[in-house]
Amino acid sequence: NAGVMQNPRHLVRRRGQEARLRCSPMKGHSHVYWYRQLPEEGLKFMVYLQKENIIDESGMPKERFSAEFPKEGPSILRIQQVVRGDSAAYFCASSSILAPKDNEQFFGPGTRLTVL
Amino acid sequence: SQQGEEDPQALSIQEGENATMNCSYKTSINNLQWYRQNSGRGLVHLILIRSNEREKHSGRLRVTLDTSKKSSSLLITASRAADTASYFCATDATSGTYKYIFGTGTRLKVLA
Repeated sequence: NAGVMQNPRHLVRRRGQEARLRCSPMKGHSHVYWYRQLPEEGLKFMVYLQKENIIDESGMPKERFSAEFPKEGPSILRIQQVVRGDSAAYFCASSSILAPKDNEQFFGPGTRLTVL
Repeated sequence: SQQGEEDPQALSIQEGENATMNCSYKTSINNLQWYRQNSGRGLVHLILIRSNEREKHSGRLRVTLDTSKKSSSLLITASRAADTASYFCATDATSGTYKYIFGTGTRLKVLA
């Protein structure tokens, strides 16, 4: 049973380019969460999605960042016109609709974005 | 300040000793989880403890939860060099937003 998968694991972009980060949740999971971790810090919540719906994007910067979780395919976190401050590790987590109260989230290995 | 704050920020011990890390949080929770992160790697889930539980064990790990003090502790007994990592607590809020709030972590170094 494959866990949460993220790709790419490492991504290097120059300032002004776009970054696309992908997350495939665990099989049977329909809830996806994105977190960002700056160096030497804990993870910060960005957005919570269900299939085709954004439920909570309170942690997402208002500009340049967007997320989607289409009916088919992985969840995508997109960062447009990246700046050096976007350099961080981006983690995706998923949970099962069967246990929302317990809300045990399973984390992927993360994508490390470096902006030159 | 953050919902979850770990204490101490850094801890260095000898192999075989016990390591204790603490986490404090601010709002009511459904559950609290502890994660380990090796340098530059992903998160490994260690233990989930629910708000109606006081203590849980998993191998060499022991987690306690005191909801009256809004605090939790993680004890690693008989530590090994392989336990060297950062340890984070994460809480969810009973308001049902489902988002986890992580502390800044405790960086544990176990010396061989």
